[in-house]
Amino acid sequence: DTAVSQTPKYLVTQMGNDKSIKCEQNLGHDTMYWYKQDSKKFLKIMFSYNNKELIINETVPNRFSPKSPDKAHLNLHINSLELGDSAVYFCASSPLAVNEQFFGPGTRLTVL
Amino acid sequence: GENVEQHPSTLSVQEGDSAVIKCTYSDSASNYFPWYKQELGKGPQLIIDIRSNVGEKKDQRIAVTLNKTAKHFSLHITETQPEDSAVYFCAASAPGGSYIPTFGRGTSLIVHP
Repeated sequence: DTAVSQTPKYLVTQMGNDKSIKCEQNLGHDTMYWYKQDSKKFLKIMFSYNNKELIINETVPNRFSPKSPDKAHLNLHINSLELGDSAVYFCASSPLAVNEQFFGPGTRLTVL
Repeated sequence: GENVEQHPSTLSVQEGDSAVIKCTYSDSASNYFPWYKQELGKGPQLIIDIRSNVGEKKDQRIAVTLNKTAKHFSLHITETQPEDSAVYFCAASAPGGSYIPTFGRGTSLIVHP
């Protein structure tokens, strides 16, 4: 059973397009996250979300927006894609704050 | 906010040798320090963690030490094997506020057979 799943695994698109990445966790966790990993492997937190609060990293452009239809899902919408958005995006979840995070397999986004 | 420094960025060892990765943090309120291993093409996976009320923790060939006074913590891998080759990340989390963990920049460990 997959704990944290993401779709698609690969996403290739043109500059200016709008795209979404889906994330689902079947662990019953309260908190979910989105990370961006650049070509140098640096993991940058983008969002932290539970059913009470959305925490946004202030450096994230407002073209990025998380959407949570329910506790088990946190999707990432990206508008007007730019070349610099090319990266691997990881979804993660944790049962409580300040605790182990469970990462998804990642989505490799390539913007042409 | 929290700042986590991780060294070295690359570590190359021979199979059977020990490997040590070091991290420092800036926020004295941080109380949770996990280590993640990321294999090629996969997401990071927790391998060991330590909380601020403990100075050392060991799990088979891996161990983590924490020095709260100096604000640094280290990962030790003994008897390294080729399958230990991966990118390792340290992180620090503090209670209160957003609880968002801060990650180090990663260490690429290469174990030569």
